[in-house]
Amino acid sequence: GAGVSQSPRYKVAKRGQDVALRCDPISGHVSLFWYQQALGQGPEFLTYFQNEAQLDKSGLPSDRFFAERPEGSVSTLKIQRTQQEDSAVYLCASSFESGTGDSPLHFGNGTRLTVT
Amino acid sequence: GQNIDQPTEMTATEGAIVQINCTYQTSGFNGLFWYQQHAGEAPTFLSYNVLDGLEEKGRFSSFLSRSKGYSYLLLKELQMKDSASYLCAVRERGTYKYIFGTGTRLKVLA
Repeated sequence: GAGVSQSPRYKVAKRGQDVALRCDPISGHVSLFWYQQALGQGPEFLTYFQNEAQLDKSGLPSDRFFAERPEGSVSTLKIQRTQQEDSAVYLCASSFESGTGDSPLHFGNGTRLTVT
Repeated sequence: GQNIDQPTEMTATEGAIVQINCTYQTSGFNGLFWYQQHAGEAPTFLSYNVLDGLEEKGRFSSFLSRSKGYSYLLLKELQMKDSASYLCAVRERGTYKYIFGTGTRLKVLA
C-alpha cells in the first residue's frame, strides 16, 4: 500500500484482557516506531525497530507491553492484562532512514484503544 | 533528556497570520520537525529545519534559532482546513527516538 496501515482502527477491551495491535509500514522502510498518544497530548515514544532488531524499548511503560517485528516488515504491539490507563491512541510510524540521522516519519492513523 | 514546550491552544481568524512557538531544552539534535495532525488522523510532515533561519514552503514557514532554543511555525492566509494540532519534534543526537512536544491545537474561525 501507499502508506502505513494499522489495524484495528478501534479496539475496546475489558480490563485484564490481552490485545494485539498491528502495523504494516511502508514497503522498504527500515525504521519502525510505536508511539502512545493520550487525548490532547503529543505522541510519547514506546519502542523502535531497525528491520527486525528492537534497538530501543525504553519507552515501554511496563513489562505488560511487548512489541515484535519478526521479519522486518509488519510489527505487532501486544499489551497484556490491559488496565484503564492503557486507554490511548497507539500510533505506528516508519521511515527509510536506518540509523540515527533524521528523516520524516510516516504515521498510520492509529489504533484507538479503550479499556473498560 | 529534553523538554519540548508548546502553547496548548491558539485561536485565529480566517485569512490571518499565526505563529506557533516551540521551545526546547536539549543537549543536541540534528534538526527540528513540524507535523500537522487533524483530529482523529495521523500526524503528517510539514517542515524540517537543520540550519538557523527561516524555511519557507508556500503558506507555511518554519524558523529555528539554536542559540535561543526555539522554533516557530508561521501560517499565513489561514484557511478553515488549517484547524488542527501542530507538533514540533526533535531526535536527540545519537539516539533513535523522536521526542514530540505536547502539540498546539489551532482553531481557525470564520
